[in-house]
Formats: sequence, structure tokens, C-alpha cells
Amino acid sequence: EIVLTQSPATLSLSPGERATLSCRASQSVSTYLAWYQQKPGQAPRLLIYDASHRATGIPDRFSGSGSGTDFTLTISSLQPEDFAVYYCQHRSNWPPLTFGGGTKVEIK
Amino acid sequence: ELRLEESGGDLVQPGGSLRLSCKASEFSLTSYSMSWVRQAPGKRPEWLSYISRTSDTKFYADSVKGRFTVSRDNAGNTLYLQMNSLRGEDTAVYYCARENPLLITKVREVMTYYYYMDVWGGGTTVTVSS
Repeated sequence: EIVLTQSPATLSLSPGERATLSCRASQSVSTYLAWYQQKPGQAPRLLIYDASHRATGIPDRFSGSGSGTDFTLTISSLQPEDFAVYYCQHRSNWPPLTFGGGTKVEIK
Repeated sequence: ELRLEESGGDLVQPGGSLRLSCKASEFSLTSYSMSWVRQAPGKRPEWLSYISRTSDTKFYADSVKGRFTVSRDNAGNTLYLQMNSLRGEDTAVYYCARENPLLITKVREVMTYYYYMDVWGGGTTVTVSS
């Protein structure tokens, strides 16, 4: 089973600041990694697939990078609606599919 | 608007059974593989099960293998999850998600499809307690 470790657990930032979230895989997943955003009471929402491709309708302030075991989600300038929990998920050598533990981006 | 709507969640005693449904709107379930994912309060999402478009391939997480069964009725545009022998640790919000092959690679004439969960339902709550 591939274990995904996200850091930091919590990121305290102000609107307009840049957010950098990390996801590390226990073994290489090539670029087969997705990022999801989840707000309280809502389902996860696909932001990024294949490590760097934005899903339909996702603003370009969201970008993903990385390959192998180390991945980054960057939000270039935080908007009020971006404060949420972010999860990474791999799509390599499954089942099982696994999610990271999440990074909560909170208002400072 | 593409939509998935889960139903069937309830309060059930340990050892009991439930069947969850997931109805698709504005797209044909026939064209997509599907997954079930659950999320216990304050925890990360946990993938449970995958079913291919024609039901010929099914996968389960170890935590539910032998207790949960995924099925689909393409004509009715509905996905199901039959849950038996329920335990307290099965308490969670249950989501269905569309598996969309957003990435397709071709190596030496072999096509490989990489699926990502691009449409999710709003979830249905299952509580297992006496």
C-alpha cells in the first residue's frame, strides 16, 4: 500500500498570500497523483490530476508540480474561498487507492 | 449540471445491513467506472470500492472485503453498495464518485487509462451504534 504523507498539517496564512502544500509518497507514483479541496460539510472537489493538470473549472491560481515521490500544490494568491482542507491521492499501483492525511489552510 | 446523489444512509445496529444507492443525473453511468469513498468524522477520505463500466472488474479495500458488495444498474443510472456485518468503525459519510479517465497513455500500442474522481455526490451518513 502506498502511504501519502502531507505537510504541514495546518497552514495559517492571510488572504493574498502564497500557499505551498506538500505531499510525499512512500514509493514512486510517477505523476499519477491528484489534489482535492474539501470544505466543511462538502464532498472533496478535484483540483489537480496527473500531478499538474488543472481539472475543469479550476482557477489558474492553483498549480501542481512534482513526480516520483514528492509533490507540491501551490495556491498563488489565497482567496477567501480557498481556506479549506486539501488532500492528495495517488492513482498508481492500485488497489488500494489512498489519500494523504490532509493540510488545513486556515486564515491567520 | 453533472450530479450524483447518494441515499440509504441510516442509524443501524452493529451486525446489521444497509444498502446505499447513488443516482447519476445529467450523464450516463454506463460510460464511467465508479468508486465508493467514505470519511469518518475528522479523518481523511478512505477509498472503499471500485466497479468498472460493465461490472466485470471490482476492487475492494481490505477493511470492507467480504462484507461490502458494489453493484450497478446502468439502465437505471444507479450505483449500489450493499453493506453487511456493519461495525462501529464503519460510521462515516459515504460518497460515490465518478471515475473519469482524464489521462490516457499509449506505449507500444498499449493504451493505459488513469482514472480520477472528478464528480462526487454530497454524501449519505451511516451511523453504526447500539
